[in-house]
Order: sequence, then structure tokens, then C-alpha cells
Amino acid sequence: GESVGLHLPTLSVQEGDNSIINCAYSNSASDYFIWYKQESGKGPQFIIDIRSNMDKRQGQRVTVLLNKTVKHLSLQIAATQPGDSAVYFCAETFSGSARQLTFGSGTQLTVLP
Amino acid sequence: KAGVTQTPRYLIKTRGQQVTLSCSPISGHRSVSWYQQTPGQGLQFLFEYFSETQRNKGNFPGRFSGRQFSNSRSEMNVSTLELGDSALYLCASSLAGGQGEKLFFGSGTQLSVL
Repeated sequence: GESVGLHLPTLSVQEGDNSIINCAYSNSASDYFIWYKQESGKGPQFIIDIRSNMDKRQGQRVTVLLNKTVKHLSLQIAATQPGDSAVYFCAETFSGSARQLTFGSGTQLTVLP
Repeated sequence: KAGVTQTPRYLIKTRGQQVTLSCSPISGHRSVSWYQQTPGQGLQFLFEYFSETQRNKGNFPGRFSGRQFSNSRSEMNVSTLELGDSALYLCASSLAGGQGEKLFFGSGTQLSVL
């Protein structure tokens, strides 16, 4: 079946720099996208979401960009902090199965001092 | 407000046995979903319950089953365990399971099948 995939498995950034995590999705029917953060020993934690009728959404230090033309999603983290070190997953769903999320494979973000 | 609680935190079983995992959703949440997380397959949807009814099911064999009680607590059961069932099983809850509702995950139950 169709699935969400990530471009890079690992990403290392200097503390204070901006981070960009990318995600490619293949299901053109998907209309709702979410980014999750998972720290070691914990379950995924909601970061930010975006609907397909938007191309950008901002939160606190985070921005999600959606490009439906190329089926691409990105998460930007401003002024990356050590506490941002975690695995980041994008997930997609469509209206017909609101609670059945399809997750990407994840990107390990490491923040260097 | 307490988060999603999963018990037990760790579990070790042998092949052929069965296991039951428990999930208590956030108070007031009526939708409970289960996901399996493995290094090889990532996070995969198992099933979702709302008001004691299974509304959605992922692509897993019939050995995987679940149920939800009137207080929204949920259990999932895996029968005739296989080595490949070793995984982190995550439970997530939301108010009613509608799209756009935040999904809150528990810390999971780490199942090891020997």
C-alpha cells in the first residue's frame, strides 16, 4: 500500500541553528498531515498539523510546509535546542479514515552543543 | 490531567503464548487507537475503538484483537505469539476520533517474544 517516507534517516544540527526535516508522501487522497516527536522511552508527541487546503502553518518555533504538487511535507524548527533531539515522524490520513494514521519511517535529529 | 496510561510497561513472553495489554485513555476521551512500532516496519496502525465498537482495522492477522469497555479503557490481545510480534505497542486516545483531533500517545508496552 501507499506510505509516507522520509528523505533522511538522521540529521545533526548545531544548537541555535534552524532544522529542516523532510517527508514525502505518496497517497494523493491524504488531506491531513501531522508531525510527531518521539523521545527515547516515550510515545510520539504531537507537534503540529496541517490540512491539505493550507500550504503553511506556524507554531511555537515550528513551521510545517506542505507542497501538494510534489507531495512533500517539511518541518522547520527554529533555533534548535538540545531538548529537540528526538525522532521526528510525519503522518498522513484522509477523511475516510480519520484515526488510521500512516507514519513515515522517522528522522533522528541530534542537536550538537 | 493524567495522560494515556499503558500497562504493563515491559513484558516477556515465549512463542505460542498469548498476551493482553491494557490502555487507559485520558479522562473524557472515547476513541482509542493501537499502533505497533518496530525498527523494521515503523509505526503501523492496528485498530481503533470508539464507544466499545471497532471502527477501523489495520492490516494485521486475526491473532491481533482488541476491545473497549464502557469506561473507554481498552485492551488488545495477541494470541499464539510469534517472534515477529516483538515490538513496542502504543495506545493513543482522542476525544471522539475525528480528523483534526490531537492524538495523545501513551509510553507503550515493550513486548519481547522469546
